[in-house]
Amino acid sequence: EAGVAQSPRYKIIEKRQSVAFWCNPISGHATLYWYQQILGQGPKLLIQFQNNGVVDDSQLPKDRFSAERLKGVDSTLKIQPAKLEDSAVYLCASSFGDRVITEAFFGQGTRLTVV
Amino acid sequence: GNSVTQMEGPVTLSEEAFLTINCTYTATGYPSLFWYVQYPGEGLQLLLKATKADDKGSNKGFEATYRKETTSFHLEKGSVQVSDSAVYFCALSAGNTPLVFGKGTRLSVIA
Repeated sequence: EAGVAQSPRYKIIEKRQSVAFWCNPISGHATLYWYQQILGQGPKLLIQFQNNGVVDDSQLPKDRFSAERLKGVDSTLKIQPAKLEDSAVYLCASSFGDRVITEAFFGQGTRLTVV
Repeated sequence: GNSVTQMEGPVTLSEEAFLTINCTYTATGYPSLFWYVQYPGEGLQLLLKATKADDKGSNKGFEATYRKETTSFHLEKGSVQVSDSAVYFCALSAGNTPLVFGKGTRLSVIA
C-alpha cells in the first residue's frame, strides 16, 4: 500500500516569497491533516479536511496560509508571504474515517527554511 | 484545552537498558492516547495506542498503560536496541479531535 506522498522534501526561500506544498493521501482516506512541526516541538495542527470540506482551520494563520483539497484527494498548502518563523517541517497525514483512532498515517514532510 | 507533557530529552541509553519515557496529559472527557515514533529521515509512525482507561498498548517490545487516575501514559521497553534510536511523541485525541502532540523525546541507544 502506498503511503502518504509529499513534495518537495526540502525548500529554501527568502522571506516575503511564496511557497506551496503538495500532499497525496493514501487512497480511500477521507480525512487529511496538515501539521506544522517547528524544531524541538511536537507537530501542531494547521488544518483538517474531511473529503473536500474544511473541518478545523482554527490554528491556520489565514492572513498568510491557505490550503485546499480539490476533489477530496490531493491537497496543497500555500504560504504567502513567508516569514522567518515559518521555518519548520510541514507534515501531511491522512486517516480512513473522521475518527483519528482509526490511525493517522504521516508523510515524510517538507522541510521549509525561510532565510 | 487538551495538552500533553512528556519528559525532555535527549535520553541516552546503552543497548539492553530499560527505557521509560514519561507522558502525562490534560484533556476533557476520555481521550485516546498514542505513542508515535519518528526514525531518522522518516515520517511519524504509530507505535501503539490505548483507547480507554487501564488499556495497555504494545508493539515491538514497547508498552504503555492508560492510567486515568494519574493521567499518564508512560512508554516502557525492557531492553532497548540501537535500532530504537528515534524521536518518540506522546499524543492524544479527545472526542474525535485531531491529534495533539507532546514536544517529543529523542532517544539515542549506544552499543
